Amino acid sequence: GENVEQHPSTLSVQEGDSAVIKCTYSDSASNYFPWYKQELGKRPQLIIDIRSNVGEKKDQRIAVTLNKTAKHFSLHITETQPEDSAVYFCAAMDSNYQLIWGAGTKLIIKP
Amino acid sequence: NAGVTQTPKFQVLKTGQSMTLQCAQDMNHEYMSWYRQDPGMGLRLIHYSVGAGITDQGEVPNGYNVSRSTTEDFPLRLLSAAPSQTSVYFCASSLTSGGPLTYFGPGTRLLVL
Repeated sequence: GENVEQHPSTLSVQEGDSAVIKCTYSDSASNYFPWYKQELGKRPQLIIDIRSNVGEKKDQRIAVTLNKTAKHFSLHITETQPEDSAVYFCAAMDSNYQLIWGAGTKLIIKP
Repeated sequence: NAGVTQTPKFQVLKTGQSMTLQCAQDMNHEYMSWYRQDPGMGLRLIHYSVGAGITDQGEVPNGYNVSRSTTEDFPLRLLSAAPSQTSVYFCASSLTSGGPLTYFGPGTRLLVL
C-alpha cells in the first residue's frame, strides 16, 4: 500500500527566510497531494493541494512542487512570518481513494 | 453552514467506561472519517464511511465502533475505554473519498484515567 514519508520532523528558520518541507510517496498511482497546517490546539486545515497532472502550484507565499518520476512533493514557504509557526502535514491519495498522511513537520519561525 | 461539528470538546473517562463521540456535517458530504492524534504525532485513521450504511476499518480500529445511518452523522463509540485511548479525536468529511477538500472538525480531547 501507499506509504508517505515526511522530512524534516522539525524545521527552524529565521523570520523572513524560506522553508522547505519534503514528502515522498510509494504508490505511483497516487494522484492527489494536499498539505495541511495545524496550529497548536487547532484542527488541521488545508493550505494548498496539487494534482498529478501539474508540476507546481502557487498561492501567494506558499507553493507546492511535484516530481512524479521521483515520487516526491515539497511545500515551499517564502518570506516566513511568525504566524507560519505550526505543524505541517503532507498526504497522498492512494489507489483506494484514501488519504495517507505523513508524520508532520514542526515549523518554528525564529524572530 | 456549520461545516463539521464535534461534541463533546473534552471528556474524562474512567477505564472500562463507554461513550460516544458525536460528529455531524451539513455539507452533504458522502465521505466521513475518524482520526486519532496522539501528542506530537500524526493522524491515524480509525474508521471511515463512503456513504450512509457503509463503514470500513482504518489503520487503528480496535476498541472503536462506528455507524452511519444518515449522511450527516458519523458517531464513534468507545466500547470499554482504556488509557491507551487517551488522544485527540478528529472527525473529517469530504465530498468524495479522500478529498479533495477534506474538512476537519474542531476535535474532541479524551482523557482516560
